[in-house]
Order: sequence, then structure tokens, then C-alpha cells
Amino acid sequence: AQSVSQHNHHVILSEAASLELGCNYSYGGTVNLFWYVQYPGQHLQLLLKYFSGDPLVKGIKGFEAEFIKSKFSFNLRKPSVQWSDTAEYFCAVNAHNQGGKLIFGQGTELSVKP
Amino acid sequence: GAGVSQSPSNKVTEKGKDVELRCDPISGHTALYWYRQSLGQGLEFLIYFQGNSAPDKSGLPSDRFSAERTGGSVSTLTIQRTQQEDSAVYLCASSSQAGPGGYGYTFGSGTRLTVV
Repeated sequence: AQSVSQHNHHVILSEAASLELGCNYSYGGTVNLFWYVQYPGQHLQLLLKYFSGDPLVKGIKGFEAEFIKSKFSFNLRKPSVQWSDTAEYFCAVNAHNQGGKLIFGQGTELSVKP
Repeated sequence: GAGVSQSPSNKVTEKGKDVELRCDPISGHTALYWYRQSLGQGLEFLIYFQGNSAPDKSGLPSDRFSAERTGGSVSTLTIQRTQQEDSAVYLCASSSQAGPGGYGYTFGSGTRLTVV
């Protein structure tokens, strides 16, 4: 069965620090990859997605993620975080033989200190 | 509607009672998903409906859980004989395409279920 691992459970950064959140998945076939964000008190929303083509994808609010197929990874990055980036971040994988079903990681809570 | 609507937003129930959670997806979205979000556990897939196809029930944790989707639109998740471990936020999402493309979901705000 497919699985998604987010190794960082809680990350604490100061404003302007660089961010990288790890995401690894286990599935040997073709996948679509997603990052979702949940701000405090809000519902989950899509941050960015990868389907094909350029493995470096850019999302909203200055976030980007790089798909490295050989490492089964899809790490999320941001060069300079802001206090408003405080949220929980979820990586998700859609395997092409699973219809539209997404398998989510356990989430990484990001706290940015002003 | 403009978004995915879930009701109730909060539900407190006594152990052993049955509960029904409702999801109203975005109009025209053919796929509908239920997930459970527990503290520190991420999002756990429960069930997935796509059009008129048989639902993917592979994530339902026990036979106390069931869901239906009427008329290809509104869905109800039913939990029978609730247990304390059922306490969680139940999230519904819908998407306009659910084939191998999987364009990403629009989530509702969830129903927070507390079993006392």
C-alpha cells in the first residue's frame, strides 16, 4: 500500500529563515504529488501540485517543491518564511492506479516566531 | 454551491449513539471523499465516491462506519454505536476529476465529533 512520510513533526523558525519540509512516498508507479496547508482555524487548501513536466513547481505565497523521482521525494521549500506561514503542512500522493484518492502524510506543524 | 459544505460543524454525542455527518460538495464535482483527522495522526482516508461507480470503502475502520451518496451529490457518513476513539474531525472533499489526473481537492471545514 502507498504511504507518505513527513519526517518533521514540528518545525520552529524565526522570520526570514529558510524552510524545507521533507516528504517521501512509497510507490513505484506514476504519481501526482501535492502539498496542502491548514492555517489556524481554517480548512485545508491546496498549496501546490505536481503532475508532470518540470520537477520544480511553484505554488502560492512563494512556496515551491521539487520532485526527485529517484529519491521518491517531494520536499517543500520557501527561501524566507513569514509569521503568517505558521500553519500545518500536509504532503499527499495520488497513485495513478488509485483513481483520485489521495494518501496524506501525518503533517508538519510550522511555527514562525516574529 | 461556492464551496464544500459540511454539517454539523460540531457534534457531541454519547458513547453508543449513532451519528450522521453530512457533506454537500461543489456543484458539478463528480468525486467526493471522506477523511478523518485526528490529533497527530494526519488525514486518514475513509471512503471515496466517483460518479456512479462503486465506492472505494477501503479506508473505513470498521463495519460501524458507512457512507452513501444520493443522486451523485450530497453524502452522509454514518457512525453507529460511537466509541471514544471515533472522536476526530471528519473532513469531506470534492473534486471535478478523479481519474489518474487527480487535480486536487476542495475541502470543507469539517465536522468535529466528540464522543463522551
